[in-house]
Amino acid sequence: EADIYQTPRYLVIGTGKKITLECSQTMGHDKMYWYQQDPGMELHLIHYSYGVNSTEKGDLSSESTVSRIRTEHFPLTLESARPSHTSQYLCASVEGGRGRNNEQFFGPGTRLTVL
Amino acid sequence: GESVGLHLPTLSVQEGDNSIINCAYSNSASDYFIWYKQESGKGPQFIIDIRSNMDKRQGQRVTVLLNKTVKHLSLQIAATQPGDSAVYFCAETQGGSQGNLIFGKGTKLSVKP
Repeated sequence: EADIYQTPRYLVIGTGKKITLECSQTMGHDKMYWYQQDPGMELHLIHYSYGVNSTEKGDLSSESTVSRIRTEHFPLTLESARPSHTSQYLCASVEGGRGRNNEQFFGPGTRLTVL
Repeated sequence: GESVGLHLPTLSVQEGDNSIINCAYSNSASDYFIWYKQESGKGPQFIIDIRSNMDKRQGQRVTVLLNKTVKHLSLQIAATQPGDSAVYFCAETQGGSQGNLIFGKGTKLSVKP
């Protein structure tokens, strides 16, 4: 089983609040990702990182920001949450490196509800 | 735009039967494909992958077939079990194993006892 963790698992907050979703992995993976997923729908990439001090925006526009100060930690922050941010947020990591497969290990997700 | 999609949103099979889940992709430059399984309340879990230089790959009870001519990918599950009930996603990437994944819409597999 993959060693990638997300907290909190569930979060209900009011509009305008600042929140940070935590993601940590203990596998020493370089590449990490954040996806947004509505129930039963496909995953949309919102942020990714190649390693420490690297952050990139994904295919889906997002008002969130990320940071990568340590290899194992890739938090996602929403400065001012809105109801449109209600969704499930999935974090993933992959070993990366030339010749290695692209098997992404996923965390259990954070289900966010903004009232 | 380029996307990965699935033909059917839901699939219901009898326990013990074989399941076939299909996926169509539109980008002929994609060269690496993965199938994921997502159970309710959990993150996706890797099932099997295949590179574009192959047309078939087998795992334990699962087989992935790739038809590059028609840009079609399928996942076959042998002797489907209740524990196979989940949403299945295919994903594609360009640039081999280093590219970002593009996920298709899932197919929900329900296994009847």
